[in-house]
Amino acid sequence: QQQVKQSPQSLIVQKGGISIINCAYENTAFDYFPWYQQFPGKGPALLIAIRPDVSEKKEGRFTISFNKSAKQFSLHIMDSQPGDSATYFCAAKGPQGSGGSNYKLTFGKGTLLTVNP
Amino acid sequence: DAGVTQSPTHLIKTRGQQVTLRCSPKSGHDTVSWYQQALGQGPQFIFQYYEEEERQRGNFPDRFSGHQFPNYSSELNVNALLLGDSALYLCASSLWGAGRNEQYFGPGTRLTVT
Repeated sequence: QQQVKQSPQSLIVQKGGISIINCAYENTAFDYFPWYQQFPGKGPALLIAIRPDVSEKKEGRFTISFNKSAKQFSLHIMDSQPGDSATYFCAAKGPQGSGGSNYKLTFGKGTLLTVNP
Repeated sequence: DAGVTQSPTHLIKTRGQQVTLRCSPKSGHDTVSWYQQALGQGPQFIFQYYEEEERQRGNFPDRFSGHQFPNYSSELNVNALLLGDSALYLCASSLWGAGRNEQYFGPGTRLTVT
């Protein structure tokens, strides 16, 4: 059972355009939703994150929109640049495990973004 | 301020062998989580260590085991390697405690099983 569904699988955007990646989750116990950026041969880098009590968070050119009732969240990259070309992963943290632990991240399958110059 | 480090970078093993991967968390962090990332997929949670104990485990067989040392560094051990264990193994560090959500990943160890 895939708990976090990500779309599209790949995305091609022109330089200066807006890139939009969507994710949907099933488990309402998730309590933290990060986005990671991964370049080939590298580990995922934390890009931006949101908690479910907030509907939008913006950091520079990156914005997360969160719709709790629809159990969906999305990443918007404004003024996309060729250097943004990478694989992007959405993730969700939780649900709480035994002993109070709550750090398991469940990832989507990723979106390969290509920004053409 | 050193980030998360992992060793080795690459590793080639034969089916049936055993492997040990190592991770040093980001300075000041006390919790280490391990993930497996197959080619073209998102990372999958293996387990998490805090205070030298396994605190949470994903859907991985007992062939996968780990350890955390008093200095917070960690090891991932995989026994009886299968071809399907070929993947990028990622270590993530964080702080234990409510509201401490951010996990920072290392560069990973690329394991190839032949």
